[in-house]
Amino acid sequence: NAGVTQTPKFQVLKTGQSMTLQCAQDMNHEYMSWYRQDPGMGLRLIHYSVGAGITDQGEVPNGYNVSRSTTEDFPLRLLSAAPSQTSVYFCASSYSGGYAGELFFGEGSRLTVL
Amino acid sequence: GQQVMQIPQYQHVQEGEDFTTYCNSSTTLSNIQWYKQRPGGHPVFLIQLVKSGEVKKQKRLTFQFGEAKKNSSLHITATQTTDVGTYFCAGNTGTASKLTFGTGTRLQVTL
Repeated sequence: NAGVTQTPKFQVLKTGQSMTLQCAQDMNHEYMSWYRQDPGMGLRLIHYSVGAGITDQGEVPNGYNVSRSTTEDFPLRLLSAAPSQTSVYFCASSYSGGYAGELFFGEGSRLTVL
Repeated sequence: GQQVMQIPQYQHVQEGEDFTTYCNSSTTLSNIQWYKQRPGGHPVFLIQLVKSGEVKKQKRLTFQFGEAKKNSSLHITATQTTDVGTYFCAGNTGTASKLTFGTGTRLQVTL
């Protein structure tokens, strides 16, 4: 089992560029989520999904899109990158059905927007 | 929206001293989880508390959930250098699908 796999680990973008952060899990977890981590602010929920075809917004969804076409994958799209989106992004999944139980995190994707 | 605060933000202790971090929510929580993140790493689940007043122990770590289910604490007895990292609490409120993380407490342990 690979667990939760995130790619890329590092990325540098210019303002206005778009990109997709990939997240895949092989644990057959229904629940998946994306968090961003900034110094002194903990982890803030961007978007989450309780199953294939179902997504919803978290605390800080603006500027990000998600989709969940399969149980395994939950990509995060930045539509037009801004310097304020410079952060470390974590994907996490949980075996729980409709609620966020014990979260299994990926290793993170460090994004810098110039 | 729900806010979860932790204090202190940072604590530096000498190996062998005890450490406590406190977590306070603005709303009643259905459960609370604790995570540890080593420097440069990702958060790793430690424990979940569900019942009012619940106390759980894992070796030198003691976790407590408040009677009103709005606060929690993590106490480490006789810290070791392996305890270095940031400790986060995280709680579910009525919207069980949203897990809100606290601001974290960074623990530094020196010999």
